[in-house]
Amino acid sequence: AQSVTQLDSQVPVFEEAPVELRCNYSSSVSVYLFWYVQYPNQGLQLLLKYLSGSTLVKGINGFEAEFNKSQTSFHLRKPSVHISDTAEYFCAVHGGATNKLIFGTGTLLAVQP
Amino acid sequence: NAGVTQTPKFQVLKTGQSMTLQCAQDMNHEYMSWYRQDPGMGLRLIHYSVGAGITDQGEVPNGYNVSRSTTEDFPLRLLSAAPSQTSVYFCASSYSRTGNQPQHFGDGTRLSIL
Repeated sequence: AQSVTQLDSQVPVFEEAPVELRCNYSSSVSVYLFWYVQYPNQGLQLLLKYLSGSTLVKGINGFEAEFNKSQTSFHLRKPSVHISDTAEYFCAVHGGATNKLIFGTGTLLAVQP
Repeated sequence: NAGVTQTPKFQVLKTGQSMTLQCAQDMNHEYMSWYRQDPGMGLRLIHYSVGAGITDQGEVPNGYNVSRSTTEDFPLRLLSAAPSQTSVYFCASSYSRTGNQPQHFGDGTRLSIL
């Protein structure tokens, strides 16, 4: 069965600083990987996805992530964050024939002025 | 095009009561799913469906029932509510039958069990 680990429950960062949110996964089959963002009291929105092809994936709002198969990681990065990026970020993995999308426990990105 | 619609948005129940959370999508998506979100635990998959008449269990199915009689609707039933089921519930859908494409989420139902 697949699983997702987001080691950082909270990441405080100052505005205009770079940020990296870590995600590691485990799966015995080829995977599809996603990052979703949740703003307060809202549902989840897709930030970006890795399905196949280039390992560097660009998403909305200036975010990008790199799929690293050897390290089973899919870390999310942004070179310069804004106050409006304050939200909870979820990494998720779909493990092929399981038909299940499994989420990590989330990372709260807190951008400070 | 409303996307994924969940009703109600808020609900308070007493222990032992039953309830159905409604979920409807107008995108003709085959795949639908239910998650619960609890602090520090992320989203956990309760049940999912790969098409009308087909449902399967997720990570935390106990205490919940689902059915999928139409492509559009995927209701979640709590047969006998327990305080441990206090949570925020999200319904999602995907155009991929296996769910391996991006999922569209509803706005959630906040459920409190007293």
